[in-house]
Amino acid sequence: AQSVTQLDSQVPVFEEAPVELRCNYSSSVSVYLFWYVQYPNQGLQLLLKYLSGSTLVKGINGFEAEFNKSQTSFHLRKPSVHISDTAEYFCAVSDPGNNRKLIWGLGTSLAVNP
Amino acid sequence: KAGVTQTPRYLIKTRGQQVTLSCSPISGHRSVSWYQQTPGQGLQFLFEYFSETQRNKGNFPGRFSGRQFSNSRSEMNVSTLELGDSALYLCASSSGQGVTYEQYFGPGTRLTVT
Repeated sequence: AQSVTQLDSQVPVFEEAPVELRCNYSSSVSVYLFWYVQYPNQGLQLLLKYLSGSTLVKGINGFEAEFNKSQTSFHLRKPSVHISDTAEYFCAVSDPGNNRKLIWGLGTSLAVNP
Repeated sequence: KAGVTQTPRYLIKTRGQQVTLSCSPISGHRSVSWYQQTPGQGLQFLFEYFSETQRNKGNFPGRFSGRQFSNSRSEMNVSTLELGDSALYLCASSSGQGVTYEQYFGPGTRLTVT
């Protein structure tokens, strides 16, 4: 069964520093990949997604992610973070046997400090 | 365009009771999915409805049920509540079936079972 691992549960970083949030998944079968962000007391919002094509995906708020099929990874990056990026970030992968269902990582809490 | 709304936002129930949560999708969206979010398990898929029919179901006991009305609004019911049912319940709507359609999440209903 597909599983998703977000390698860091918490990532503290200073404002204007670069950040990388790591995500690995288990199945090498063709999948769709997503990153969502959850701000305090809000629902999840889609940051970016990989369905096919270029392995470098650009999303909202200056985030981007790179799909690496050989390493089954989909790491999220931002070259310079802001205080407002403080939030919980979730990686999700489609279930190979069921494209109506997403398998979610446990989340990475990004804390941007001044 | 109004977003996904969920009512109530907060709920406190006693073990053994039942509860009904409501979700109003974005206008025009016909797919509604429900998730349970807990710190230990992350987001877990409950079920998906499309055009009033349950299309997909996660691995939850039969105490968890749902339905969708002709106006696409959806309700989720949990009977015989257990302490472990305490969680944030998220609803998401999309314009089509399958994970390739962007899911728009509501702010969630925080259920506390005492």
